[in-house]
Amino acid sequence: AQRVTQPEKLLSVFKGAPVELKCNYSYSGSPELFWYVQYSRQRLQLLLRHISRESIKGFTADLNKGETSFHLKKPFAQEEDSAMYYCALRNQAGTALIFGKGTTLSVSS
Amino acid sequence: DGGITQSPKYLFRKEGQNVTLSCEQNLNHDAMYWYRQDPGQGLRLIYYSQIVNDFQKGDIAEGYSVSREKKESFPLTVTSAQKNPTAFYLCASSVRQDYNSPLHFGNGTRLTVT
Repeated sequence: AQRVTQPEKLLSVFKGAPVELKCNYSYSGSPELFWYVQYSRQRLQLLLRHISRESIKGFTADLNKGETSFHLKKPFAQEEDSAMYYCALRNQAGTALIFGKGTTLSVSS
Repeated sequence: DGGITQSPKYLFRKEGQNVTLSCEQNLNHDAMYWYRQDPGQGLRLIYYSQIVNDFQKGDIAEGYSVSREKKESFPLTVTSAQKNPTAFYLCASSVRQDYNSPLHFGNGTRLTVT
Protein backbone atom coordinates (compact mmCIF):
# COMPACT_ATOMS: atom_id res chain seq x y z
CA ALA A 1 0.00 0.00 0.00
CA GLN A 2 1.15 3.53 -0.69
CA ARG A 3 1.18 5.68 2.37
CA VAL A 4 2.84 8.75 3.81
CA THR A 5 3.16 9.12 7.56
CA GLN A 6 4.01 12.34 9.35
CA PRO A 7 4.02 11.36 13.02
CA GLU A 8 4.13 14.85 14.48
CA LYS A 9 1.10 17.07 14.33
CA LEU A 10 2.95 20.04 15.83
CA LEU A 11 6.63 20.85 16.25
CA SER A 12 7.61 23.86 18.32
CA VAL A 13 11.20 25.12 18.37
CA PHE A 14 13.07 28.27 19.28
CA LYS A 15 14.69 30.48 16.71
CA GLY A 16 18.17 29.23 15.88
CA ALA A 17 17.45 25.65 16.94
CA PRO A 18 17.74 22.73 14.50
CA VAL A 19 14.56 21.44 12.91
CA GLU A 20 13.67 17.96 11.71
CA LEU A 21 10.22 17.24 10.34
CA LYS A 22 9.69 13.52 10.03
CA CYS A 23 8.22 11.71 7.04
CA ASN A 24 8.01 7.97 6.49
CA TYR A 25 6.56 6.29 3.44
CA SER A 26 5.31 2.94 2.22
CA TYR A 27 5.90 2.19 -1.46
CA SER A 28 6.94 -0.61 -3.81
CA GLY A 29 9.86 0.36 -6.00
CA SER A 30 11.65 3.70 -6.24
CA PRO A 31 9.56 6.45 -4.65
CA GLU A 32 9.31 10.05 -5.73
CA LEU A 33 8.97 12.28 -2.71
CA PHE A 34 8.26 15.94 -2.17
CA TRP A 35 7.83 18.47 0.59
CA TYR A 36 5.10 21.10 0.23
CA VAL A 37 4.66 24.11 2.51
CA GLN A 38 1.73 26.35 3.33
CA TYR A 39 2.55 29.68 4.97
CA SER A 40 -0.19 31.63 6.68
CA ARG A 41 -2.65 33.06 4.15
CA GLN A 42 -0.68 31.68 1.21
CA ARG A 43 -1.22 28.86 -1.22
CA LEU A 44 0.22 25.44 -0.73
CA GLN A 45 3.47 25.36 -2.71
CA LEU A 46 6.34 23.04 -3.48
CA LEU A 47 9.32 23.38 -1.16
CA LEU A 48 11.61 20.70 -2.51
CA ARG A 49 11.73 17.33 -4.24
CA HIS A 50 14.12 14.51 -3.55
CA ILE A 51 15.07 14.00 -7.19
CA SER A 52 16.56 17.50 -7.39
CA ARG A 53 18.74 17.10 -4.29
CA GLU A 54 18.31 20.81 -3.70
CA SER A 55 18.39 23.06 -0.68
CA ILE A 56 15.57 25.58 -0.51
CA LYS A 57 15.43 28.29 2.17
CA GLY A 58 18.06 26.31 4.06
CA PHE A 59 15.96 23.13 4.11
CA THR A 60 17.22 19.79 2.86
CA ALA A 61 15.71 16.33 2.74
CA ASP A 62 17.48 13.06 2.09
CA LEU A 63 15.79 9.93 0.90
CA ASN A 64 16.71 6.97 3.10
CA LYS A 65 15.41 3.83 1.42
CA GLY A 66 16.55 1.58 4.25
CA GLU A 67 14.47 3.47 6.78
CA THR A 68 11.82 4.48 4.19
CA SER A 69 12.15 8.06 5.34
CA PHE A 70 12.38 11.51 3.81
CA HIS A 71 12.86 13.81 6.78
CA LEU A 72 13.04 17.58 6.26
CA LYS A 73 15.88 19.32 8.05
CA LYS A 74 17.17 22.78 8.69
CA PRO A 75 20.15 23.53 10.95
CA PHE A 76 18.93 26.89 12.27
CA ALA A 77 15.20 27.64 12.34
CA GLN A 78 13.90 31.13 11.60
CA GLU A 79 10.56 32.63 12.62
CA GLU A 80 9.51 32.89 8.97
CA ASP A 81 9.75 29.10 8.72
CA SER A 82 6.56 28.81 10.76
CA ALA A 83 4.08 27.05 8.48
CA MET A 84 2.30 23.78 7.75
CA TYR A 85 4.54 21.24 6.05
CA TYR A 86 3.28 18.30 4.01
CA CYS A 87 5.28 15.34 2.80
CA ALA A 88 3.98 13.85 -0.47
CA LEU A 89 4.59 10.70 -2.49
CA ARG A 90 3.82 10.15 -6.15
CA ASN A 91 1.39 7.26 -6.54
CA GLN A 92 2.34 3.98 -8.20
CA ALA A 93 0.59 4.96 -11.43
CA GLY A 94 2.53 8.20 -11.51
CA THR A 95 -0.66 10.18 -11.91
CA ALA A 96 -1.19 11.94 -8.57
CA LEU A 97 0.40 12.80 -5.22
CA ILE A 98 -0.46 11.19 -1.90
CA PHE A 99 -0.04 13.59 1.00
CA GLY A 100 0.67 13.02 4.65
CA LYS A 101 -1.42 14.62 7.38
CA GLY A 102 0.97 17.51 7.74
CA THR A 103 3.09 18.96 10.53
CA THR A 104 2.71 22.48 11.84
CA LEU A 105 6.09 24.05 12.56
CA SER A 106 6.08 26.88 15.05
CA VAL A 107 9.28 28.87 15.51
CA SER A 108 9.36 31.34 18.35
CA SER A 109 11.95 33.84 19.51
CA ASP B 1 -2.11 37.04 -12.09
CA GLY B 2 -1.85 33.70 -13.87
CA GLY B 3 -2.39 30.43 -12.15
CA ILE B 4 -5.33 28.61 -10.67
CA THR B 5 -8.51 30.33 -9.61
CA GLN B 6 -11.01 28.74 -7.31
CA SER B 7 -14.36 30.32 -6.71
CA PRO B 8 -16.05 31.17 -4.54
CA LYS B 9 -13.78 31.50 -1.52
CA TYR B 10 -16.63 30.66 0.87
CA LEU B 11 -19.74 28.67 0.06
CA PHE B 12 -22.74 27.88 2.23
CA ARG B 13 -25.38 25.30 1.40
CA LYS B 14 -28.27 23.53 3.03
CA GLU B 15 -28.05 19.81 3.60
CA GLY B 16 -29.50 17.85 0.69
CA GLN B 17 -28.45 20.33 -1.97
CA ASN B 18 -25.80 19.66 -4.59
CA VAL B 19 -23.15 22.33 -4.96
CA THR B 20 -20.49 22.91 -7.62
CA LEU B 21 -17.04 24.33 -6.90
CA SER B 22 -15.24 26.07 -9.71
CA CYS B 23 -11.59 25.60 -10.68
CA GLU B 24 -10.00 27.36 -13.64
CA GLN B 25 -6.34 27.44 -14.70
CA ASN B 26 -4.51 29.40 -17.38
CA LEU B 27 -1.22 27.56 -17.06
CA ASN B 28 -1.93 25.28 -20.03
CA HIS B 29 -1.59 22.29 -17.73
CA ASP B 30 -3.05 18.98 -18.83
CA ALA B 31 -3.49 17.46 -15.38
CA MET B 32 -5.87 18.76 -12.71
CA TYR B 33 -6.72 17.51 -9.24
CA TRP B 34 -9.18 17.98 -6.41
CA TYR B 35 -8.10 17.49 -2.81
CA ARG B 36 -10.01 17.84 0.41
CA GLN B 37 -8.21 19.32 3.41
CA ASP B 38 -9.51 18.58 6.90
CA PRO B 39 -7.81 19.38 10.22
CA GLY B 40 -5.69 16.43 11.28
CA GLN B 41 -6.38 14.58 8.03
CA GLY B 42 -4.02 16.33 5.65
CA LEU B 43 -4.91 16.41 1.96
CA ARG B 44 -6.96 13.58 0.54
CA LEU B 45 -7.39 13.06 -3.19
CA ILE B 46 -10.96 13.19 -4.48
CA TYR B 47 -10.63 13.08 -8.27
CA TYR B 48 -7.99 13.80 -10.87
CA SER B 49 -7.83 14.25 -14.59
CA GLN B 50 -4.82 13.79 -16.84
CA ILE B 51 -6.46 14.98 -20.07
CA VAL B 52 -9.69 16.50 -21.31
CA ASN B 53 -12.74 14.22 -21.19
CA ASP B 54 -10.99 11.77 -18.87
CA PHE B 55 -10.83 11.56 -15.08
CA GLN B 56 -10.19 9.02 -12.33
CA LYS B 57 -11.41 8.53 -8.80
CA GLY B 58 -9.06 9.27 -5.96
CA ASP B 59 -9.16 7.89 -2.45
CA ILE B 60 -12.40 9.57 -1.34
CA ALA B 61 -14.51 9.98 -4.48
CA GLU B 62 -17.82 8.82 -2.98
CA GLY B 63 -20.39 11.59 -2.97
CA TYR B 64 -18.48 13.71 -5.48
CA SER B 65 -18.54 14.10 -9.24
CA VAL B 66 -16.39 15.98 -11.75
CA SER B 67 -16.26 16.87 -15.41
CA ARG B 68 -13.41 17.87 -17.70
CA GLU B 69 -14.92 19.30 -20.84
CA LYS B 70 -12.24 21.95 -21.26
CA LYS B 71 -8.53 21.85 -20.53
CA GLU B 72 -8.66 24.89 -18.30
CA SER B 73 -11.66 23.90 -16.20
CA PHE B 74 -12.27 21.08 -13.70
CA PRO B 75 -15.43 21.71 -11.66
CA LEU B 76 -16.24 19.57 -8.63
CA THR B 77 -19.81 18.81 -7.61
CA VAL B 78 -20.45 17.89 -4.01
CA THR B 79 -23.62 15.85 -4.03
CA SER B 80 -26.14 15.23 -1.29
CA ALA B 81 -24.69 11.72 -1.02
CA GLN B 82 -21.49 13.07 0.53
CA LYS B 83 -21.92 12.43 4.25
CA ASN B 84 -19.50 15.04 5.58
CA PRO B 85 -19.25 17.75 2.93
CA THR B 86 -18.15 20.60 5.18
CA ALA B 87 -14.45 21.02 4.41
CA PHE B 88 -11.78 23.05 2.67
CA TYR B 89 -11.39 22.04 -0.98
CA LEU B 90 -8.17 22.56 -2.94
CA CYS B 91 -7.76 22.37 -6.70
CA ALA B 92 -4.36 21.86 -8.31
CA SER B 93 -2.82 21.41 -11.73
CA SER B 94 0.44 20.17 -13.20
CA VAL B 95 2.16 19.33 -16.44
CA ARG B 96 1.04 15.84 -17.36
CA GLN B 97 3.52 13.02 -17.05
CA ASP B 98 6.33 15.33 -16.03
CA TYR B 99 7.62 13.90 -12.82
CA ASN B 100 9.56 17.05 -12.04
CA SER B 101 6.55 19.27 -12.46
CA PRO B 102 5.16 20.55 -9.17
CA LEU B 103 1.50 20.84 -8.34
CA HIS B 104 0.19 24.39 -8.55
CA PHE B 105 -2.58 24.95 -6.04
CA GLY B 106 -5.50 27.33 -5.93
CA ASN B 107 -6.47 29.34 -2.86
CA GLY B 108 -9.20 26.91 -1.96
CA THR B 109 -12.94 27.01 -1.32
CA ARG B 110 -14.34 26.56 2.16
CA LEU B 111 -17.69 24.79 1.95
CA THR B 112 -20.07 24.79 4.89
CA VAL B 113 -23.18 22.64 4.77
CA THR B 114 -25.80 23.06 7.48
